[in-house]
Amino acid sequence: SQELEQSPQSLIVQEGKNLTINCTSSKTLYGLYWYKQKYGEGLIFLMMLQKGGEEKSHEKITAKLDEKKQQSSLHITASQPSHAGIYLCGADGGATNKLIFGTGTLLAVQP
Amino acid sequence: DGGITQSPKYLFRKEGQNVTLSCEQNLNHDAMYWYRQDPGQGLRLIYYSQIVNDFQKGDIAEGYSVSREKKESFPLTVTSAQKNPTAFYLCASSIYPGLNNEQFFGPGTRLTVL
Repeated sequence: SQELEQSPQSLIVQEGKNLTINCTSSKTLYGLYWYKQKYGEGLIFLMMLQKGGEEKSHEKITAKLDEKKQQSSLHITASQPSHAGIYLCGADGGATNKLIFGTGTLLAVQP
Repeated sequence: DGGITQSPKYLFRKEGQNVTLSCEQNLNHDAMYWYRQDPGQGLRLIYYSQIVNDFQKGDIAEGYSVSREKKESFPLTVTSAQKNPTAFYLCASSIYPGLNNEQFFGPGTRLTVL
């Protein structure tokens, strides 16, 4: 079965610093989703990547899917306290829309 | 406003009691999903439904049951057979099943079994 591993598990950065979160799959990714979650709340969709080499940006957050489609990175530029939360990657598990999720990365941004 | 609602936000139950979590969506989505989230384990799929009156087991269906009698509703029952029911439960929906369809999530229900 497919597994997603995220690194790091947790991250503390100073406000204004850049950071990167990685998501590595044990199998080829056919669709990779990034979500953000505030503690105790639902997930907010950030971006979806499908093609090898694809890169998408939204405000200060950029996500990439590598050429071999087994790893994705999420990069935040000039982090702000509003970026704090749990970032989760999810991947299509096969023929049905069953998402498999990574264990998440907890981000804290210190003012 | 369109979206997914879950109720209640917090739920406390005694061990051995069945409990039903509500999930409603007004997005006219065909597919709906139930996930369980535990610390350090990410989200795990319990059940999903691709169309009304049909549902499939996910990865951790034991001790849970669902129904899909209406397109907008997908309630989850946590039965006494579920050995570790205390968790955060998330409901989601997508416009239709299949690849490359964003899932929209509800705000979640935190269930605590005493």
